[in-house]
Amino acid sequence: QKEVEQNSGPLSVPEGAIASLNCTYSDRGSQSFFWYRQYSGKSPELIMFIYSNGDKEDGRFTAQLNKASQYVSLLIRDSQPSDSATYLCAGWGGNKLVFGAGTILRVKS
Amino acid sequence: DGGITQSPKYLFRKEGQNVTLSCEQNLNHDAMYWYRQDPGQGLRLIYYSQIVNDFQKGDIAEGYSVSREKKESFPLTVTSAQKNPTAFYLCASSLLPGGADTQYFGPGTRLTVL
Repeated sequence: QKEVEQNSGPLSVPEGAIASLNCTYSDRGSQSFFWYRQYSGKSPELIMFIYSNGDKEDGRFTAQLNKASQYVSLLIRDSQPSDSATYLCAGWGGNKLVFGAGTILRVKS
Repeated sequence: DGGITQSPKYLFRKEGQNVTLSCEQNLNHDAMYWYRQDPGQGLRLIYYSQIVNDFQKGDIAEGYSVSREKKESFPLTVTSAQKNPTAFYLCASSLLPGGADTQYFGPGTRLTVL
């Protein structure tokens, strides 16, 4: 069973701080990974995807992938109260996307 | 506006009823997916379709059925055989079939069994 694991949280950070969200995966064959943000009662929206080892930056967001350690992370710089949501990590395993259960992030003003 | 639409937003089902959830996309995407989300759990794949007139079972297909007669439409029927259907149902699509392509989600349908 291919799995994606996330700490459920909640992760609480003060406004303006860096939030670090982590994800591990079991399928060494996974090549691509996605981070989605989901507000309460809403559908997931894509934040970033990453295919290669290393860092990928997009505005306040940085995704990091370490295939040797089977580890993916998302850093959110200058966290804002509007970033408070559940963050879903997903990895492509074979012919389907496998989702973690999500980490709840709370940014306190 | 391009996007994915789902209807209805809220749906109530009585015991023994079949209900159908609609999913339409105008993104010209080849692949479409149905997921179920329960509180505190990740998204679980119900069915997916990579091409018109073809679809495959996901991890939790029992009690559900789908059709893909048109590229833009992928309706999901929740049958009376699904014993615990109360959940948030999400439809998604991606441009390319079979590859590790980005999936985009519709707004979802919240189904409640009365």
